[in-house]
Amino acid sequence: NAGVTQTPKFQVLKTGQSMTLQCAQDMNHEYMSWYRQDPGMGLRLIHYSVGAGITDQGEVPNGYNVSRSTTEDFPLRLLSAAPSQTSVYFCASSYRVGTGNNEQFFGPGTRLTVL
Amino acid sequence: DAKTTQPNSMESNEEEPVHLPCNHSTISGTDYIHWYRQLPSQGPEYVIHGLTSNVNNRMASLAIAEDRKSSTLILHRATLRDAAVYYCILRDVRRGADGLTFGKGTHLIIQP
Repeated sequence: NAGVTQTPKFQVLKTGQSMTLQCAQDMNHEYMSWYRQDPGMGLRLIHYSVGAGITDQGEVPNGYNVSRSTTEDFPLRLLSAAPSQTSVYFCASSYRVGTGNNEQFFGPGTRLTVL
Repeated sequence: DAKTTQPNSMESNEEEPVHLPCNHSTISGTDYIHWYRQLPSQGPEYVIHGLTSNVNNRMASLAIAEDRKSSTLILHRATLRDAAVYYCILRDVRRGADGLTFGKGTHLIIQP
């Protein structure tokens, strides 16, 4: 298994540009999520999905859209990039919904800079 | 989820055991104790989790106090590769799917 994969690894955008961060997992996990990590901070939840066709907002959803058309893929869209969205973005997945007793698997991250 | 308190940083020597403490005095009966670590420039990695009893796996051991108000992650023989930020996280098993709440964690430094 490749686990959780993310593309691209690095990206530089200009303010106002849009882009999509890709996330895929090959473990047939029903739960997927996106986090952002700012320098020196812990991760914060942006959006999550409990299965294909179902998404919900996390702690910091503004400026981001998600969709889940398949079990494997969970792309994150920046509609109009802002310098405040400069961060490292991590995608994660777990086998079952409800993270109390499940481990989460994280991707390697996408480092995004917005000028 | 209840809050956890960890030291900002700890230092240890290679090939020695490391005990990473975590206080969670407001833990509820349905909170699992999770530990993740994040190596430099990588995504977080699951280490171990438990509810009441001590737990062992190939990476580490988790010792949980009898009153569950504190826990300790034990790395039995630290290597340079164990240098990372370690996060202690509580997750209520009754909650839905709204992710993990990461604090700032403990920055573990391993000296050769």
